[in-house]
Amino acid sequence: AQSVTQLDSQVPVFEEAPVELRCNYSSSVSVYLFWYVQYPNQGLQLLLKYLSGSTLVKGINGFEAEFNKSQTSFHLRKPSVHISDTAEYFCAVSLGGGADGLTFGKGTHLIIQP
Amino acid sequence: KAGVTQTPRYLIKTRGQQVTLSCSPISGHRSVSWYQQTPGQGLQFLFEYFSETQRNKGNFPGRFSGRQFSNSRSEMNVSTLELGDSALYLCASKTSADEQFFGPGTRLTVL
Repeated sequence: AQSVTQLDSQVPVFEEAPVELRCNYSSSVSVYLFWYVQYPNQGLQLLLKYLSGSTLVKGINGFEAEFNKSQTSFHLRKPSVHISDTAEYFCAVSLGGGADGLTFGKGTHLIIQP
Repeated sequence: KAGVTQTPRYLIKTRGQQVTLSCSPISGHRSVSWYQQTPGQGLQFLFEYFSETQRNKGNFPGRFSGRQFSNSRSEMNVSTLELGDSALYLCASKTSADEQFFGPGTRLTVL
């Protein structure tokens, strides 16, 4: 079975500063990787995904993530954050191909300080 | 295209009752998955339906069940409700490229 670890439960950062949200996964087989964002009282919105190919993935709202197979990591980055980025961010993995559901990390609460 | 819709948005039940939640996927999507979100356990996969058949199931007791209709709409049912079933229940419709689009969720409170 696969698992996901989000190393930080909460990350405070000043507005316009860069941010990195860390995600490590464990799996004995190849996986698909995703980052989702959840705003208060809403469902999850897909930020970006890695299925195969280039290890640097660009998503919506200026976010990007890099897949590192040797370190089994998929960290999320943004060069300059905005107040509106305040939300809960979830890293998730799946085996793909309809084989299973998503396995999520516990989430990281990104707090943007003015 | 309309997004994933879930009804009702909020629900209050008492222990021992049963509840049915509904999800309408994005038009053309044939796969629907259900997830439970709680502060303690986080987001957990319940089950997935594809073309009216349960394709995958998470580690939940048999009190949790679901079904999918020919128009891809899905329902999940929880019988004999327990306090611990209080959660946000999220439905997602999935593309063939494994992208899952989530609905706003149904917040269930069990008293």
